[in-house]
Amino acid sequence: NAGVTQTPKFQVLKTGQSMTLQCAQDMNHEYMSWYRQDPGMGLRLIHYSVGAGITDQGEVPNGYNVSRSTTEDFPLRLLSAAPSQTSVYFCASSYRRGGETQYFGPGTRLLVL
Amino acid sequence: GENVEQHPSTLSVQEGDSAVIKCTYSDSASNYFPWYKQELGKRPQLIIDIRSNVGEKKDQRIAVTLNKTAKHFSLHITETQPEDSAVYFCAASNGNQFYFGTGTSLTVIP
Repeated sequence: NAGVTQTPKFQVLKTGQSMTLQCAQDMNHEYMSWYRQDPGMGLRLIHYSVGAGITDQGEVPNGYNVSRSTTEDFPLRLLSAAPSQTSVYFCASSYRRGGETQYFGPGTRLLVL
Repeated sequence: GENVEQHPSTLSVQEGDSAVIKCTYSDSASNYFPWYKQELGKRPQLIIDIRSNVGEKKDQRIAVTLNKTAKHFSLHITETQPEDSAVYFCAASNGNQFYFGTGTSLTVIP
């Protein structure tokens, strides 16, 4: 199993551009989530999904969209990038919601100029 | 929403000594408390977790304690080794959402 994979590893955007961060898992996990990690602030939940077709907002959802058309994929879309979205983004998955081990992807480092 | 506070933000210990990191949470609905270790430039990895119906859990040199009444939980690392140097994060979850502490940078001095 590849586990949780993310692409790209690094991306530079200009303010106002849009892009999609890809996340995939091959462990048949129901629960998937996106976090951003900023210095001194830990990880903050952006959006999560408890299964295909079901998504919900986390702590910091503004400026981001998600969809979950398949169990395996959970892309994160930045609609109009802003410098405040410069961060490291992690995708994570677990077998199901509610107290299961979360496995994190390797992260995507995003710089918005 | 939930608020997780973590202390200290930095911790230095001599090799072989113990390290303790403490977290508090605010939402009594939180029922799952994982701890993650993150090495520089790497992804967070789960090292131990505890559920709200358990007061203590141990795995070799690592232990976690939970006090539901006081809403705090702690990570204990005994016989620390240089490879324990990393950033450690606590988290609290109500099942759907995870709230993380701001991290503790642990340095083990050989």
